[in-house]
Amino acid sequence: DGGITQSPKYLFRKEGQNVTLSCEQNLNHDAMYWYRQDPGQGLRLIYYSQIVNDFQKGDIAEGYSVSREKKESFPLTVTSAQKNPTAFYLCASSEGLASYEQYFGPGTRLTVT
Amino acid sequence: AQSVTQLDSHVSVSEGTPVLLRCNYSSSYSPSLFWYVQHPNKGLQLLLKYTSAATLVKGINGFEAEFKKSETSFHLTKPSAHMSDAAEYFCVVRSPNFGNEKLTFGTGTRLTIIP
Repeated sequence: DGGITQSPKYLFRKEGQNVTLSCEQNLNHDAMYWYRQDPGQGLRLIYYSQIVNDFQKGDIAEGYSVSREKKESFPLTVTSAQKNPTAFYLCASSEGLASYEQYFGPGTRLTVT
Repeated sequence: AQSVTQLDSHVSVSEGTPVLLRCNYSSSYSPSLFWYVQHPNKGLQLLLKYTSAATLVKGINGFEAEFKKSETSFHLTKPSAHMSDAAEYFCVVRSPNFGNEKLTFGTGTRLTIIP
């Protein structure tokens, strides 16, 4: 089955620790994205990548970092510099940045205490 | 610049009655518009999309939406609600930007179905 996998589904961390969220896709898509979702708000773009070894900041990149060493993988690191890291994180992919449809993974719920 | 406003944060309807979820947008250029659905603790699934073809767009699960340029609206409708329609719905706008298009999401409308 083709799709996007995110692991783990739930993640708990202590304040001050960095944590990395996994995102893998087997759709052969060039573009990948990370969004953050908070209650009562729409999705906000953190980072996106158009191609391997290239990525761009989205609207709320501060306190986050990414890498794109392989086409199928786009991990997100939530650093200790992120002031409010507790949220639901969604990864998505599309054939390209100009593609009409983005496909979403099931999400990872991160709780930092 | 682009933005999208979902006019209702929460809508409740009885099973078997019509559903109307309202969305208004703004865009400097001819936009593409989407509706996504999200069930609890799940990712988003595309319901339907408007990309400058027919203004009345049919999607999955009996949903449809009509693009009205004069009203800058893209409301989502369904003739008869089913219990499985209970979810959060997001209206999304995308404007042309020379291959660097990004999506702008509305704040969501939570749909509750009353048995």
